[in-house]
Amino acid sequence: DTAVSQTPKYLVTQMGNDKSIKCEQNLGHDTMYWYKQDSKKFLKIMFSYNNKELIINETVPNRFSPKSPDKAHLNLHINSLELGDSAVYFCASSQDRWGSSYNSPLHFGNGTRLTVT
Amino acid sequence: LAKTTQPISMDSYEGQEVNITCSHNNIATNDYITWYQQFPSQGPRFIIQGYKTKVTNEVASLFIPADRKSSTLSLPRVSLSDTAVYYCLVGAYEGGSEKLVFGKGMKLTVNP
Repeated sequence: DTAVSQTPKYLVTQMGNDKSIKCEQNLGHDTMYWYKQDSKKFLKIMFSYNNKELIINETVPNRFSPKSPDKAHLNLHINSLELGDSAVYFCASSQDRWGSSYNSPLHFGNGTRLTVT
Repeated sequence: LAKTTQPISMDSYEGQEVNITCSHNNIATNDYITWYQQFPSQGPRFIIQGYKTKVTNEVASLFIPADRKSSTLSLPRVSLSDTAVYYCLVGAYEGGSEKLVFGKGMKLTVNP
């Protein structure tokens, strides 16, 4: 059973398009995250939701909009895609908010490789 | 805001013990230290977590000195499959908002 699953695995699209990435976790966790890993391999947090409430919203262009229909799902919609958006996007989840309790590590999906041409 | 610093890369050989260090000088009192492993085309995978002193599980040990400004991940006898990028993560909780700061990671290459 896949704990954190993302779809699609690969996404190739043209500049200006709008696309969505979906994430689901079957771990029963309360908190979910979106991370971006660029070509230099830096892992940067973008958003976090706790029980469908947005708790982290880093400095990310407002073309990126997360949506959490329930605590098991966190989707990422990107409008007007740009070349610089090309990266690998990782979804993750944790039992509690990170840092709020012990034994609440992040569980990551395998990523969505987005290529904007 | 806690930040971490790690060596960029390390080479080792099969069967050796590998120790990977991480500096986190601004660690806060409530922060835990967590290590992750990432293989190409996969998401990071949790290895071990600790707060102080020593923690050991079936795959690694984590050593944290009393001042908690650094930590060392120890992999007892590495194999080729341990070739990966290792991230040290320190959780930070500041004034109601939470920042999750990954270090740059360290690429470990295990040679035959």
